[in-house]
Amino acid sequence: AQTVTQSQPEMSVQEAETVTLSCTYDTSESDYYLFWYKQPPSRQMILVIRQEAYKQQNATENRFSVNFQKAAKSFSLKISDSQLGDAAMYFCAYRSPTQGGSEKLVFGKGTKLTVNP
Amino acid sequence: NAGVMQNPRHLVRRRGQEARLRCSPMKGHSHVYWYRQLPEEGLKFMVYLQKENIIDESGMPKERFSAEFPKEGPSILRIQQVVRGDSAAYFCASSPGLGSGEKLFFGSGTQLSVL
Repeated sequence: AQTVTQSQPEMSVQEAETVTLSCTYDTSESDYYLFWYKQPPSRQMILVIRQEAYKQQNATENRFSVNFQKAAKSFSLKISDSQLGDAAMYFCAYRSPTQGGSEKLVFGKGTKLTVNP
Repeated sequence: NAGVMQNPRHLVRRRGQEARLRCSPMKGHSHVYWYRQLPEEGLKFMVYLQKENIIDESGMPKERFSAEFPKEGPSILRIQQVVRGDSAAYFCASSPGLGSGEKLFFGSGTQLSVL
């Protein structure tokens, strides 16, 4: 079974600075998807960024980018120019290739990000 | 286009009572997933349903928990004879299916508190 590990329960960053959140995973599959979700206090799960394992190029969405190291099974999230609104829980998630249309995700335990003004 | 709607947002039950959590998927979505988030934990998959069918219930506890997604109306997660350990946030997510990749949309969850 796949597992996702987030080794940083909490992180903090100064506004406008850059922070990196770590995620490692364990799988025997060669093709899969990786995600970062943001969960603000409202509890809404918001997709931040997505990476397909077969793509070597790291995904980027505005101030959010990933460092995907397939051999090391590492998938870190970098947030540049941090803003107060970035404060939230961040979850790393893994998904196997679609089987019967299933989008079942395996989540890590999350990292609580605090942004200091 | 309304998002995934879950209600109630908060639900308080005493031990032994039944809890019914409702999820209305996004318009046009026929696939529903239920996840549970225990305190200080990530979300854990419970069950995957399509209209009138349970596709994958590998994450559901063997007893007291059931789920349905009828042809008409919302998906229901039902917990019978609740215990304190059932206290958690329960999230529903929907997708149009057919390998839609990232098109998985989450609701805001139902916080179940068992007294």
